[in-house]
Amino acid sequence: EIVMTQSPATLSVSPGERATLSCRASQSVSSNLAWYQQKPGQAPRLLIYGASTRATGIPARFSGSGSGTEFTLTISSLQSEDFAVYYCQQYNNWLLFTFGPGTKVDIK
Amino acid sequence: QVQLQESGPGLVKPSETLSLTCTVSGGSISSYYWSWIRQPPGKGLEWIGYIYYSGSTNYNPSLKSRVTISVDTSKNQFSLKLSSVTAADTAVYYCARKTYTGYLSDWGQGTLVTVSS
Repeated sequence: EIVMTQSPATLSVSPGERATLSCRASQSVSSNLAWYQQKPGQAPRLLIYGASTRATGIPARFSGSGSGTEFTLTISSLQSEDFAVYYCQQYNNWLLFTFGPGTKVDIK
Repeated sequence: QVQLQESGPGLVKPSETLSLTCTVSGGSISSYYWSWIRQPPGKGLEWIGYIYYSGSTNYNPSLKSRVTISVDTSKNQFSLKLSSVTAADTAVYYCARKTYTGYLSDWGQGTLVTVSS
């Protein structure tokens, strides 16, 4: 099983500031890494796939980077609608897809 | 854009079988893979399994002995059955479309299933 970890667990950021979220895999997942955003009471929404490709309709302030075991999601200038929980997911191992525990981005 | 909608009982008794259906609209189920994911209240996401429209499946090993996912292409639906449920199976259950690459591109709104007598 590929174990995904995320840090920090909670990130307090002021609107307009930059947020940097980390995701680490216990073994290489190449670029087979996705990021999802989940707001309270809503389903997760795909933000990034292939570690760095924005999904359709996702604003340019969201960017992803990394490969292998270390990945980063950056939100360049936080908007009010960006306060949410963010999950990473590896899809390199098709026998068992795994998610990270999530990073909650809240208002500072 | 494809839309997904989960349906099924919101309350299931312990030891019984949880059954949910996901209806796909705005596109044919006869392409892509189709997945189930769950989220216990206040916790993270757990992948349950996926099915290809042809019927081939893959399940999370931790749930494999209790899970069955099936597809009905004539109704554009796929389904989840989870047997011998306990309180630990209480969760919001999501259906989602899985791309050929592997990420989950579209999600249903989710449905809360509570296991309680």
